[in-house]
Amino acid sequence: NAGVTQTPKFQVLKTGQSMTLQCAQDMNHEYMSWYRQDPGMGLRLIHYSVGAGITDQGEVPNGYNVSRSTTEDFPLRLLSAAPSQTSVYFCASSYLTSGPGSSYNEQFFGPGTRLTVL
Amino acid sequence: KQEVTQIPAALSVPEGENLVLNCSFTDSAIYNLQWFRQDPGKGLTSLLLIQSSQREQTSGRLNASLDKSSGRSTLYIAASQPGDSATYLCAVRPSGTYKYIFGTGTRLKVLA
Repeated sequence: NAGVTQTPKFQVLKTGQSMTLQCAQDMNHEYMSWYRQDPGMGLRLIHYSVGAGITDQGEVPNGYNVSRSTTEDFPLRLLSAAPSQTSVYFCASSYLTSGPGSSYNEQFFGPGTRLTVL
Repeated sequence: KQEVTQIPAALSVPEGENLVLNCSFTDSAIYNLQWFRQDPGKGLTSLLLIQSSQREQTSGRLNASLDKSSGRSTLYIAASQPGDSATYLCAVRPSGTYKYIFGTGTRLKVLA
């Protein structure tokens, strides 16, 4: 299993540009999510999905869009990049409900995308 | 609103010491709590997950406990090693939601 993969690893954008951060998982997890990590603020949830076709907002959704057309993929779109969106972005996935084994629904994280908006 | 706090923000200990990292949360209605490790410039690695019905979980030199009534979890690291140096984060999934809430982490340095 490749686990959770993210592309690109690094990206520099100019203010106003748009882009899509890619996230994929091969573990057949129902739950996928996007976080941003900023110094001193920890990880904050942007959007999440509990299955194909179902998405919802997290703590800091403004300026970001998501869709989930397949179980495996959960792309994050920046519509018009702003310097405030400079951050490290992480994608994560997990099973939703409890199952065999106490750690059945633990979250697995991708390696992150470091985004700079000038 | 659920809030998660980790104190201290940073900790330095000599190699071999047993240590405890703390995670506090304000609402005891949680589905589970997960501990992670993050190395500089890297993603998060899952260490232990405790379901709301459990009191503790163990993996090797790590032991995590959960006391929902007091809103606390502790991560115990036995016989610390320089390779344990990293930032340790806890995350809570409140009951009835899918929105995990993270603490800001404890940055641990184990000195050789």
